[in-house]
Amino acid sequence: QVTLKESGPALVKPTQTLTLTCTFSGFSLSTTGMRVSWIRQSPGKALEWLARIDWDNDKFYSTSLKTRLTISKDTSKNQVVLTLTNMDPVDTATYYCARGYSSSNFDYWGQGTLVTVSS
Amino acid sequence: QSALTQPASVSGSPGQSITISCTGTSSDVGGYDSVSWYQQHPGKAPKLMIYDVSNRPSGVSNRFSGSKSGNTASLTISGLQAEDEADYYCSSYTSSSTLVFGGGTKLTVL
Repeated sequence: QVTLKESGPALVKPTQTLTLTCTFSGFSLSTTGMRVSWIRQSPGKALEWLARIDWDNDKFYSTSLKTRLTISKDTSKNQVVLTLTNMDPVDTATYYCARGYSSSNFDYWGQGTLVTVSS
Repeated sequence: QSALTQPASVSGSPGQSITISCTGTSSDVGGYDSVSWYQQHPGKAPKLMIYDVSNRPSGVSNRFSGSKSGNTASLTISGLQAEDEADYYCSSYTSSSTLVFGGGTKLTVL
């Protein structure tokens, strides 16, 4: 059974760095073709893809946010970590992690974690 | 990367069919057969309904179908049911090795 769960702070202050962890089970990120992405959704808005890390440690970032994003993995812990620097109120959103397998779609999603940026 | 263009809302009566469009460019929708569709109910995570333009994951009703022509992909839901009322998002792989979502379409079942 594949599951993913996001964890991190619910509230961050402007200019701070957000660190989110995706802990998953039921698959290994060392399996060829496996991928984990981060996607966010601001309240009442559309989904926005942020970043992806592959089984071979290839990393891909949203063009508009790439200077602020870092994605990494700890295969032994079944975790993927996303950092987003210089947080702003517009970064308030529900952040999801999701699995992809040899494709660009996401077949399993976490429940999401709401992050609010406010002083 | 600009978001893919979807209608803000569509509606239909139970039993009817509706189609949601998703328009991009030759650098995303038109250039790759990597279009997916997601259904999202309020307060829930998105659910994959269609992948690679027209493929249904196991467990997804065959009332859902996908297609693509040029730079526009489409999701068709036939035999509308009350439980289909949700937001729907398309996504596509891009020439920049990134992924782009559509702006989302709210489906109302009348």
